[in-house]
Amino acid sequence: EIVLTQSPGTLSLSPGERVTLSCRASQSVDSSYLAWYQQKPGQTPRLLIYGASSRATGIPARFSGSGSGTDFILTISRLEPEDFAVYYCQQYGSSSWTFGQGTKVEIK
Amino acid sequence: EVQLVESGGGLVQPGGSLRLSCAASGFTFSSYEMNWVRQAPGKGLEWVSYINTGGSTIYYADSVKGRFTISRDNAKNSLYLQMNSLRAEDTAVYYCTRRKYNFDYWGQGTLVTVSS
Repeated sequence: EIVLTQSPGTLSLSPGERVTLSCRASQSVDSSYLAWYQQKPGQTPRLLIYGASSRATGIPARFSGSGSGTDFILTISRLEPEDFAVYYCQQYGSSSWTFGQGTKVEIK
Repeated sequence: EVQLVESGGGLVQPGGSLRLSCAASGFTFSSYEMNWVRQAPGKGLEWVSYINTGGSTIYYADSVKGRFTISRDNAKNSLYLQMNSLRAEDTAVYYCTRRKYNFDYWGQGTLVTVSS
């Protein structure tokens, strides 16, 4: 099973700052299946990025994804108040899906 | 509008069984692969099970293999999860999710609590 490790665990930032979240896989991942999700307290997860770099429907352009192989990045170019949430990466391989443990982006 | 509505959760004793249902609407259910994902209280997301459009290909997480059974009824636009031999560690909100470009739509979830 491929293990996804996200870092850092928590980020304390201010609105307007640039955010870079990391997702590292224990072995090479098919980028076609690498996704990022956002989850706010009390809400269901929302798909942000699929295929490592494609934005899902309705996702603002300030969200972007990049990476390949074992290292993937989610970037938020300029934090908006509504972006404070937990972010998860996800991949598919060997007949199973796995999620990272999540990175919490909190208000500083 | 795509809607996924889970039901069937509740309190069950260790060793007991529950059957979760997910009613789908707003899209052609038979054309989409589906999954169950769970989230223990205060914890992260854990994929549970996958089923393809016709029900012929099914996968399970190791943590539920042999105890849970996923199925679907395309005529009823419904997804199911039969959960047997439940353990305390199965306590979670269970989400029904549609797969297109990963999991693009999620239901609101149904809470399963395993406790004596």
